[in-house]
Amino acid sequence: AQSVTQPDIHITVSEGASLELRCNYSYGATPYLFWYVQSPGQGLQLLLKYFSGDTLVQGIKGFEAEFKRSQSSFNLRKPSVHWSDAAEYFCAVKYSGGGADGLTFGKGTHLIIQP
Amino acid sequence: NAGVMQNPRHLVRRRGQEARLRCSPMKGHSHVYWYRQLPEEGLKFMVYLQKENIIDESGMPKERFSAEFPKEGPSILRIQQVVRGDSAAYFCASSLGVGDEQFFGPGTRLTVL
Repeated sequence: AQSVTQPDIHITVSEGASLELRCNYSYGATPYLFWYVQSPGQGLQLLLKYFSGDTLVQGIKGFEAEFKRSQSSFNLRKPSVHWSDAAEYFCAVKYSGGGADGLTFGKGTHLIIQP
Repeated sequence: NAGVMQNPRHLVRRRGQEARLRCSPMKGHSHVYWYRQLPEEGLKFMVYLQKENIIDESGMPKERFSAEFPKEGPSILRIQQVVRGDSAAYFCASSLGVGDEQFFGPGTRLTVL
């Protein structure tokens, strides 16, 4: 069964500093990978996705992520965080072979921005 | 173009009552997904529907939970005889087709007293 691990429950970063949120997936076939952001009391917004092709994908709000098949990872990065980036971040994977179409989510990483 | 709409945004029920959660997908989307988010947890897939059909309900609890997506009208997630453990945020997502990006609604926060 597919699974997603986000090893960091909380991360604190100073405003203006760089950010990397880790995500590892467990799945045999080529996955579809996603990063979502959730602000308190809100729904999820898609930051970026990887289906195929270039392993470095650019997303909204200055985020990027790199797919590394050898490490089964899809880490999210941002060169300089802003206070408005404080939120919950979820990594998700989907089966690429059709049929079951639901996303499998990690438990999330809570990002705290220090002034 | 309105996004995915869910109502109500907040729902309070007493144990044993029924909860009905509604989801209107984005215009033109015929694929709907329901997810549940327990406190301090990620989202868990529950069910995937297309118009008038349940495609994948592997994440649905075996009892008390049901979902439908009729030809006309919103998708409904129905929870009968709610218990305290059903308290969670329930999110709906929709997509244009199989494998396409899923757009999420704002969620319905269910509280069972």
